Amino acid sequence: DQQVKQNSPSLSVQEGRISILNCDYTNSMFDYFLWYKKYPAEGPTFLISISSIKDKNEDGRFTVFLNKSAKHLSLHIVPSQPGDSAVYFCAAMNNAGNMLTFGGGTRLMVKP
Amino acid sequence: NAGVTQTPKFRVLKTGQSMTLLCAQDMNHEYMYWYRQDPGMGLRLIHYSVGEGTTAKGEVPDGYNVSRLKKQNFLLGLESAAPSQTSVYFCASTIQVPVHEQFFGPGTRLTVL
Repeated sequence: DQQVKQNSPSLSVQEGRISILNCDYTNSMFDYFLWYKKYPAEGPTFLISISSIKDKNEDGRFTVFLNKSAKHLSLHIVPSQPGDSAVYFCAAMNNAGNMLTFGGGTRLMVKP
Repeated sequence: NAGVTQTPKFRVLKTGQSMTLLCAQDMNHEYMYWYRQDPGMGLRLIHYSVGEGTTAKGEVPDGYNVSRLKKQNFLLGLESAAPSQTSVYFCASTIQVPVHEQFFGPGTRLTVL
């Protein structure tokens, strides 16, 4: 049973518009969440994170929102650029803080 | 500073053959991880290590063994490869817990025929 789910396998947006990637989790003990970005033939790279004591974290064009009551987080990219086209994984940290559980990923395609 | 490197990049095995994947990191990280990535399944943890000489099972450990004889290296072994182990394997490391970021290698694409 997947504890972290990304229900949209793919998303296509126009350059300059907002991209919204969603992630849901079931384990209420998760208290730290991360987003990773992955290009083809490369390993994932860290993008942005959020602690459960916050509901928003912003870094340039990237903002992560956390709704603890709904067990839902989202990544907003504004404005979207063609270079943002990649697979995005959300991940949650376990209780012991030594492991991450990843979602299945969402492939984002930003069209010029 | 090479970060996390993985050897080999590609490999094709026949069912029943064995092989070892090597992960090396030069960042003096204590914690190292092996994941497999399959379409729609994301990254699933196979085994991990919290320090030299220690290993622990992750989510999908069956069919794999690991060793961490040196701090900078984490080896993943397949004793008798099966087609179900066809996947892309990623190694990652982190300096401390709680894990606020993991650094990943470029991956090894393994095909088992």
